[in-house]
This record gives sequence, structure tokens and C-alpha cells, in this order.
Amino acid sequence: RKEVEQDPGPFNVPEGATVAFNCTYSNSASQSFFWYRQDCRKEPKLLMSVYSSGNEDGRFTAQLNRASQYISLLIRDSKLSDSATYLCVVNIGGGYQKVTFGTGTKLQVIP
Amino acid sequence: EAGVVQSPRYKIIEKKQPVAFWCNPISGHNTLYWYLQNLGQGPELLIRYENEEAVDDSQLPKDRFSAERLKGVDSTLKIQPAELGDSAVYLCASSLGGLTRGELFFGEGSRLTVL
Repeated sequence: RKEVEQDPGPFNVPEGATVAFNCTYSNSASQSFFWYRQDCRKEPKLLMSVYSSGNEDGRFTAQLNRASQYISLLIRDSKLSDSATYLCVVNIGGGYQKVTFGTGTKLQVIP
Repeated sequence: EAGVVQSPRYKIIEKKQPVAFWCNPISGHNTLYWYLQNLGQGPELLIRYENEEAVDDSQLPKDRFSAERLKGVDSTLKIQPAELGDSAVYLCASSLGGLTRGELFFGEGSRLTVL
């Protein structure tokens, strides 16, 4: 089983739609979680951290479910500019800073 | 503030040739990472440095790959000899210690094509 798993997509959604991605992780000792965004042929950039209580940043909402070992990203009112690959990132943390990326979920927002 | 700088951006070589990539991290960032990214995949860690010490090189194919980070600043990743399967994007990233915010800052990457 991969340490971090994502549905590669692509998710093709119309502008204005709400879309959600999930990411599962295998190591129950994982301590911190993030979503990164990667545009085509560009480098990954941090989108948002994922906190235990869930957190929002504008149209983006991230949630963590430790019992089921998954995190999610919800995007409301999708924009064309949201088209990108969304990478789930898990950090085991503690004294062993192992940062593992998922394969990414590709989102295409259609006019 | 300057970001992570990598060079070269693109490199095309024939198999069995050597190649080297250079990375200059953000000033003050003590942690430096080299990742490999294949098309349609997420970045995969090759090596992580804390200052000049390689603290995780378990995924580095040591028969042909080597890396160094002299003086705990710039880093070089070398492949010798290159194989067809090494064609990928090599990403360098840096971060402040602790990763509490999880923010790795990536360079634009070095795209390698092995013919």
C-alpha cells in the first residue's frame, strides 16, 4: 500500500461547481498534513495546511479525519484558474521529518 | 527575496553520460531536499539535508547518484552514468527547520532527458 494515495483524476467540473478530493495515508503516526498546488510544468506550491479541527481559506476547505486516516480538500465556486494538480502531503514529523507527496489529483475547470 | 534557484533548467544527454544539477536554497533555510518527479506522479524524495548532513538518503540510488551540500548552503546532485529511466524533473526544495507550517519552497526544477 502506498504511504499517501490520491485519485489521479482528472476531475472535469464546470465553473461555479463544488469539487472535493480525498487523500488517504497509511502511517497512523503522521503528524501534519498539507495540500500543495502544482500548475502544469511548474513547481509545487503550498496551498494550505490541514488542521485537526478543519480550516478554511476563502473558497477552500481542508479537513482531517484521523480515525479513517484521510484528509480532504473542498473547493467551492470553482474558477478556471483553479485548474491544476492538487498534491496531498503528509509529514510524519517528530524527530524524523519525512515528507511524502501523493501522486496528485488533476482538476480541470471547464467554462 | 530570492527563491530557490536551480540550474540548468533543461538538460539533454545521451545515456551513460554524466550530468549534474545545482541548487541554491533560500537564504537561512537549513533543510534542503532533492526530489524526483516523473510525469503524472508526485515528487519522490531522493535526499534530505539538515545543514551539511544528509539525514535521509534511503531513496537515493547510490550506485549512480551522488549529492553533496558543502558548507550547508548550495547543493549538487550528480548522476553518473545516466540511464534512460532517469529522464524526469529534478526538484530542489528548502525549508526552515521544524516544518511546522509544512512549507517547502521549490525551485523551478531541472528537466532531464536521456536519449
